[in-house]
Amino acid sequence: EPEVTQTPSHQVTQMGQEVILRCVPISNHLYFYWYRQILGQKVEFLVSFYNNEISEKSEIFDDQFSVERPDGSNFTLKIRSTKLEDSAMYFCASSGDMGTEAFFGQGTRLTVV
Amino acid sequence: ILNVEQSPQSLHVQEGDSTNFTCSFPSSNFYALHWYRWETAKSPEALFVMTLNGDEKKKGRISATLNTKEGYSYLYIKGSQPEDSATYLCAFIAGTYKYIFGTGTRLKVLA
Repeated sequence: EPEVTQTPSHQVTQMGQEVILRCVPISNHLYFYWYRQILGQKVEFLVSFYNNEISEKSEIFDDQFSVERPDGSNFTLKIRSTKLEDSAMYFCASSGDMGTEAFFGQGTRLTVV
Repeated sequence: ILNVEQSPQSLHVQEGDSTNFTCSFPSSNFYALHWYRWETAKSPEALFVMTLNGDEKKKGRISATLNTKEGYSYLYIKGSQPEDSATYLCAFIAGTYKYIFGTGTRLKVLA
């Protein structure tokens, strides 16, 4: 069964460092998403991506965040200068069409120290 | 700001009990409503995708209804089993590409 895969499963980084979280969406899917969940809080939408550009982004997705689909299979989230409050579980998801069910990866736990 | 609320936040039920929880969402700019089941240490899995007012969906002992005019959806579990223990998330999809998740209902079924 096709699945969304994320790497690494856990990333520890120093405050101020750049991190890149990687995702391989399901191959025939067209829409890609990043979400995060800070420990004990709700799942928060970050950004959606379609046709090689950002479709929608939340207030959280400020200038320190960027997304890229560099090679047609990977979908990456870059955080330029990490802050302590960026520590969270980051989930990538993809869907075949807008509004259809999203398939989630297992998540990357980002810890900023 | 679009707000999606779920209630209750958590509940404990005995094995065999039936239960239900609510997802409230904006009644305007509706595109779809999803229910996801999220077990600890796993990623969310879709249960239902609902798009039409009055939709009723069923999967085994779990069913859901949708009222887009008043902005709510109910998820029902009949005869709860310990393996139903999970967080149940609803996601409201507005007429854009944004999925807005509720806070979730944490269900614990006691054997």
